[in-house]
Amino acid sequence: EPEVTQTPSHQVTQMGQEVILRCVPISNHLYFYWYRQILGQKVEFLVSFYNNEISEKSEIFDDQFSVERPDGSNFTLKIRSTKLEDSAMYFCASNAQGRHEQYFGPGTRLTVT
Amino acid sequence: DQQVKQNSPSLSVQEGRISILNCDYTNSMFDYFLWYKKYPAEGPTFLISISSIKDKNEDGRFTVFLNKSAKHLSLHIVPSQPGDSAVYFCAASPYSSNTGKLIFGQGTTLQVKP
Repeated sequence: EPEVTQTPSHQVTQMGQEVILRCVPISNHLYFYWYRQILGQKVEFLVSFYNNEISEKSEIFDDQFSVERPDGSNFTLKIRSTKLEDSAMYFCASNAQGRHEQYFGPGTRLTVT
Repeated sequence: DQQVKQNSPSLSVQEGRISILNCDYTNSMFDYFLWYKKYPAEGPTFLISISSIKDKNEDGRFTVFLNKSAKHLSLHIVPSQPGDSAVYFCAASPYSSNTGKLIFGQGTTLQVKP
């Protein structure tokens, strides 16, 4: 069964450093998302992406964040200058045309020290 | 922002019995509702969904009920199995299209005892 994959599973970085989180959505899906979950809190929407552009972003998704689909399979989230409060699980998700259910990857645990 | 609320942080039931997980929402513009299950160190897994034009959707052991007037939905699991032990998230989509974000509740941890 097709699934969303994410790499790395765990990323440790120092405050102020740039990180890139990678995702491979399900191949025939057209809509892509990033969410995050800070420990003990709810899953929060960050950004949605369709047709090579951002379709919606949350207040969390400030100028330090960017997304890209550099080729036909990868979808990346970049944080330019990480802060301690960026420490969280980051989930990538995708869904197909005409479907509401989004399929999530296993997540990347980002730890900023 | 508490648009989707799951007021019970945890629920414990005996194997074979019914599990009922509840979810309330405040935004009457929500168009679609979904339930996800999450195991530790994994991403949320889609379980079942319901459109706002329906009041019930069933898939095997899982049934979701929607009461629009009360802005309330529930997930029934019958019979409950130990493998159902996980965190369950209610989510809502504020759009009629399928391109929109999901807004999640805080989650309810279900423990099914053998």
